[in-house]
Amino acid sequence: DGGITQSPKYLFRKEGQNVTLSCEQNLNHDAMYWYRQDPGQGLRLIYYSQIVNDFQKGDIAEGYSVSREKKESFPLTVTSAQKNPTAFYLCASRQTYYGYTFGSGTRLTVV
Amino acid sequence: GENVEQHPSTLSVQEGDSAVIKCTYSDSASNYFPWYKQELGKRPQLIIDIRSNVGEKKDQRIAVTLNKTAKHFSLHITETQPEDSAVYFCAASTVGNQFYFGTGTSLTVIP
Repeated sequence: DGGITQSPKYLFRKEGQNVTLSCEQNLNHDAMYWYRQDPGQGLRLIYYSQIVNDFQKGDIAEGYSVSREKKESFPLTVTSAQKNPTAFYLCASRQTYYGYTFGSGTRLTVV
Repeated sequence: GENVEQHPSTLSVQEGDSAVIKCTYSDSASNYFPWYKQELGKRPQLIIDIRSNVGEKKDQRIAVTLNKTAKHFSLHITETQPEDSAVYFCAASTVGNQFYFGTGTSLTVIP
């Protein structure tokens, strides 16, 4: 999928449960990002990482956590503290001076 | 931080007509402006981008113009086709930093 893979495609979360969304890239990009997409609200930044072992909060980080132990991987955990997690989650990577490459997304639904 | 506004939120055109989507940004330091096309349920795809040292860029039926003084940039699609129907997002960033996205324009091309 263009060098950046998100899994699973669909994910269902029960109340009080933590779930982890996977994002892997083989583009050798330094920077990786997580966005949340809700209808009519565009793309909102959750977390981003510009180098391994370092990451920064975006605009809506509450209730989410990330890690960046390897350059290729940037998993996102949706914790039970996120009260309204139903959304489409997009991971992206970027090489400096160029645009994002997006993954195919994970649709998370609370059941 | 940067604030990107995008208009209109919805746009309907007849097949063969032109479509124009406009974005404004607030941070004069922004110097990279990509446009993304997102079909329903799919990931955003980069369709064209422009850097601040260029006033206009064309790629077949798609063009982007940038007015740095006024801090606005526009996407122009000529000879629209039904397959152009999608949601279009503009974004602004500085080199190496996160993108700030507009809220999207849903374009419908009527056959």
